[in-house]
Amino acid sequence: DTAVSQTPKYLVTQMGNDKSIKCEQNLGHDTMYWYKQDSKKFLKIMFSYNNKELIINETVPNRFSPKSPDKAHLNLHINSLELGDSAVYFCASSQPGLYTDTQYFGPGTRLTVL
Amino acid sequence: AQTVTQSQPEMSVQEAETVTLSCTYDTSENNYYLFWYKQPPSRQMILVIRQEAYKQQNATENRFSVNFQKAAKSFSLKISDSQLGDTAMYFCAFMRLPGNQFYFGTGTSLTVIP
Repeated sequence: DTAVSQTPKYLVTQMGNDKSIKCEQNLGHDTMYWYKQDSKKFLKIMFSYNNKELIINETVPNRFSPKSPDKAHLNLHINSLELGDSAVYFCASSQPGLYTDTQYFGPGTRLTVL
Repeated sequence: AQTVTQSQPEMSVQEAETVTLSCTYDTSENNYYLFWYKQPPSRQMILVIRQEAYKQQNATENRFSVNFQKAAKSFSLKISDSQLGDTAMYFCAFMRLPGNQFYFGTGTSLTVIP
């Protein structure tokens, strides 16, 4: 009965490769997010989708492309991986509204680029 | 732009004692939410407590309470009767309304000492 799940939990890959991280939420939320947490634990939003529509796109290299096949899924595809992409990536979801806007986070995916 | 500042990178507390983590934020908005999230070594981001800016009463969740000072833009977290399981990174977060965009502080690493 996991609320927000991500796969894989760990991802080790070589520079230049293309990889994807999947996220699914079973909370019925309309909005999903991707965050990047760097080695200093700083958590920064990358993207936000509301009902499959992109609503937030922070300054992120265009090698990163989110894809939302339906409102329960928000996948992150990364092309031409670089060393600086090594981080923990968190998916989250929320239901916008006055009382139900808390973000629920997935367990994170630790990406290591060698 | 919204900013969230956590001025204490690391803190420690004896088991069963009380500790207060500080957070200040900067915004010109009047309607917003504030949150404290906990990130234990498992990396999972766990919601600890939330506060609606329009509410004057400080939020409380069991051993966790906040001191919300809207005029001072301060939102500190008090943990009473600290337990070993409270050892984690604690992130203060600000959510703007409308838009639901989250802004996180840089975190405070709390260690509970037996």
